[in-house]
Amino acid sequence: EDQVTQSPEALRLQEGESSSLNCSYTVSGLRGLFWYRQDPGKGPEFLFTLYSAGEEKEKERLKATLTKKESFLHITAPKPEDSATYLCAVQGTSGSRLTFGEGTQLTVNP
Amino acid sequence: NAGVMQNPRHLVRRRGQEARLRCSPMKGHSHVYWYRQLPEEGLKFMVYLQKENIIDESGMPKERFSAEFPKEGPSILRIQQVVRGDSAAYFCASSPGGKDSPLHFGNGTRLTVT
Repeated sequence: EDQVTQSPEALRLQEGESSSLNCSYTVSGLRGLFWYRQDPGKGPEFLFTLYSAGEEKEKERLKATLTKKESFLHITAPKPEDSATYLCAVQGTSGSRLTFGEGTQLTVNP
Repeated sequence: NAGVMQNPRHLVRRRGQEARLRCSPMKGHSHVYWYRQLPEEGLKFMVYLQKENIIDESGMPKERFSAEFPKEGPSILRIQQVVRGDSAAYFCASSPGGKDSPLHFGNGTRLTVT
């Protein structure tokens, strides 16, 4: 069974204070690892897909990296508008569905 | 290009009533997924459908829950004889299928059972 564990559960940063979120996974053959952002009362918003170890993707202040066992979401010089819950999910070769972690709730204070 | 549309946004039902949740996928998307999010918990997979076919329903409770995605019209998640434990946010996602096709989510239906 595919499993995803995210840490920390919650993270408070000051504006401009860079940090990283962790996503550890076990999957029977990785087809893709996905990062989403979820704001309160909204559905998850797609950020990145990573397919193989060593791959990196960037979008504005966010950079996602992937190894064979975990992924990191690096946030550089965050702003208050980056406050949200960040979700990690994996898709295995056994099917199309995504298995999600429980998320990291990020708060960036001005 | 409209995103995934779910309605209603909020639904209140008494115990024992039926709940019908609707999802219209993004234009051009023929794959639909339903997820449930309980308070303070992560998203849990329920069912994966393509037009007129259920592909994977391994996450769906065996009783009271059913889903369909007809040839015409939205996908429907139906919960019969609701109980308090069914209170949750139900999210629909769609994709066009294929490797480079992440799921795109709607804003969910929040079901409250009183």
